[in-house]
Amino acid sequence: DAMVIQNPRYQVTQFGKPVTLSCSQTLNHNVMYWYQQKSSQAPKLLFHYYDKDFNNEADTPDNFQSRRPNTSFCFLDIRSPGLGDAAMYLCATDGGMVTGELFFGEGSRLTVL
Amino acid sequence: KQEVTQIPAALSVPEGENLVLNCSFTDSAIYNLQWFRQDPGKGLTSLLLIQSSQREQTSGRLNASLDKSSGRSTLYIAASQPGDSATYLCAVMHTGNQFYFGTGTSLTVIP
Repeated sequence: DAMVIQNPRYQVTQFGKPVTLSCSQTLNHNVMYWYQQKSSQAPKLLFHYYDKDFNNEADTPDNFQSRRPNTSFCFLDIRSPGLGDAAMYLCATDGGMVTGELFFGEGSRLTVL
Repeated sequence: KQEVTQIPAALSVPEGENLVLNCSFTDSAIYNLQWFRQDPGKGLTSLLLIQSSQREQTSGRLNASLDKSSGRSTLYIAASQPGDSATYLCAVMHTGNQFYFGTGTSLTVIP
């Protein structure tokens, strides 16, 4: 059974039209991450949460925001998508300092027209 | 800052061949190293996790080794199959939940 679930798998939006991507996890992990991955590139960290403590990377554009209403769910909001925001968005959790193992969802592929 | 490199970027082998994928990192103060598989248009699937105190991990036809002092890890795939075709990424973890990824090796196994 999938442990990290992302919806939608595919999202098409128009330039400037807000988008929300969701992530849920059944692992009860405290830490959740949002990564952006473009073709043939390494995943790039946008945000991470330790429990409800929110951390955004210094170079994450203001156009991106995130919410974590409870342990199980996390959302990524893209307020005004541009063509350069077309990418795969990956949600992940980790097992904490006991193992530090990352678990990823299937990703949400964003297309901007 | 940690830098993770995977060479080659792409690899093509005939079915049945044993192969080795490489991952190198510049800062040896890692907590662990993880190998992932990524199929086109999909997320990352964890293959093997090696803690910093370990030398290797095995799962089926996969064996991953870690040499922290030299900043290197290898992923050995035995008797490759067309279904092994995918991109393989490595990632190292530092304390504070910091992960650094390589850009991956794209593997094609030719039937």
